[in-house]
Amino acid sequence: SAVISQKPSRDICQRGTSLTIQCQVDSQVTMMFWYRQQPGQSLTLIATANQGSEATYESGFVIDKFPISRPNLTFSTLTVSNMSPEDSSIYLCSVDPGGGLDSDTQYFGPGTRLTVL
Amino acid sequence: TQLLEQSPQFLSIQEGENLTVYCNSSSVFSSLQWYRQEPGEGPVLLVTVVTGGEVKKLKRLTFQFGDARKDSSLHITAAQPGDTGLYLCAGAYRDDKIIFGKGTRLHILP
Repeated sequence: SAVISQKPSRDICQRGTSLTIQCQVDSQVTMMFWYRQQPGQSLTLIATANQGSEATYESGFVIDKFPISRPNLTFSTLTVSNMSPEDSSIYLCSVDPGGGLDSDTQYFGPGTRLTVL
Repeated sequence: TQLLEQSPQFLSIQEGENLTVYCNSSSVFSSLQWYRQEPGEGPVLLVTVVTGGEVKKLKRLTFQFGDARKDSSLHITAAQPGDTGLYLCAGAYRDDKIIFGKGTRLHILP
């Protein structure tokens, strides 16, 4: 398993601004993921952030809107840029300690609840 | 499009009753996970099933993976208010992609 922390836990932001969310893991992991969970909805994968390579974005998500950094094996950031009220959501990071080699089980951080006014 | 359907979407039952939540797909999974999420928190892993027909038990929770690895069920015996939460299933494909169901929101009435 893995213990994951996220900062901030919540924030209220103005339209047009940007917010950077941090994700810290207690062990070195290759595969990290960023998800969005809109109110009352399930999880939607934004991108996969593997250390040593560019993040891979899912359909509907682009780097200009959601730039990601992955400077080492225990840390990643997701920036939500030029925010609009539609970006109000919970943003979650997760890791796969098995590196995709076993059962693809992911462990999640507590999430960042973002409200855009 | 790969879909993972969960049913029911909402379930409200009395403490002490039994319930079953279902997770179905037309696709074959290499593994399937069940998570529980409480308000304001991230999903917490309950179990991973890998082998077709596999049954795993976690106290009052019984998880079953279908023989064809396309579906799964979660059965809770003698539900308690602490079981309240959003239950999510997630299926993993061989290309490392994981998709989540929309979840079952369970409310146990004391």
